[in-house]
Amino acid sequence: AQTVTQSQPEMSVQEAETVTLSCTYDTSESDYYLFWYKQPPSRQMILVIRQEAYKQQNATENRFSVNFQKAAKSFSLKISDSQLGDAAMYFCAYRSLAGNKLVFGAGTILRVKS
Amino acid sequence: NAGVTQTPKFRILKIGQSMTLQCAQDMNHNYMYWYRQDPGMGLKLIYYSVGAGITDKGEVPNGYNVSRSTTEDFPLRLELAAPSQTSVYFCASSYSTLGHYGYTFGSGTRLTVV
Repeated sequence: AQTVTQSQPEMSVQEAETVTLSCTYDTSESDYYLFWYKQPPSRQMILVIRQEAYKQQNATENRFSVNFQKAAKSFSLKISDSQLGDAAMYFCAYRSLAGNKLVFGAGTILRVKS
Repeated sequence: NAGVTQTPKFRILKIGQSMTLQCAQDMNHNYMYWYRQDPGMGLKLIYYSVGAGITDKGEVPNGYNVSRSTTEDFPLRLELAAPSQTSVYFCASSYSTLGHYGYTFGSGTRLTVV
């Protein structure tokens, strides 16, 4: 079974600075998908970014980008120019290529200081 | 589009009571899921469904039941509520088994069993 590990329970960043959230995963599969979800205090789960394992190019969505290291099974999220609205719990998640279930990490709370 | 609608948003149950958490989606998604999120933890899969009339257990199914009589609705039934079921419950849906599709989540139900 696949597992997802987020080793940072909490992180803090100064407004306008850059922060990186870590995620590692364990799988024996060669093709899969990885996601980062944001959960603000409203509890709504919001998809931030996705990465296909067969693509070598790292995904980017505006201020959010990932560093995908397939051999190391690492999938970190970089948030540039951090904003107060970025404060939330962030979850890393894994999904098999043809699977229909997301496996989540335990989450990282991101605090943004003004 | 309403997306995924969960009701109620909050509920307090006494030990031994039963209740049904409602989930409805209007996106014609075949795949629907129930997750629970315990404090400081990631989401764990309770049950999922790949279409009307088809359901299957996830990681933590004990104490719960589901049914899927229509594409739109996927209710979660708690029988004989226990304090260990105090959690936030999320319903989600997905268009396809193709992994690059993320999930659409409801806003969650916060359940307290006392």
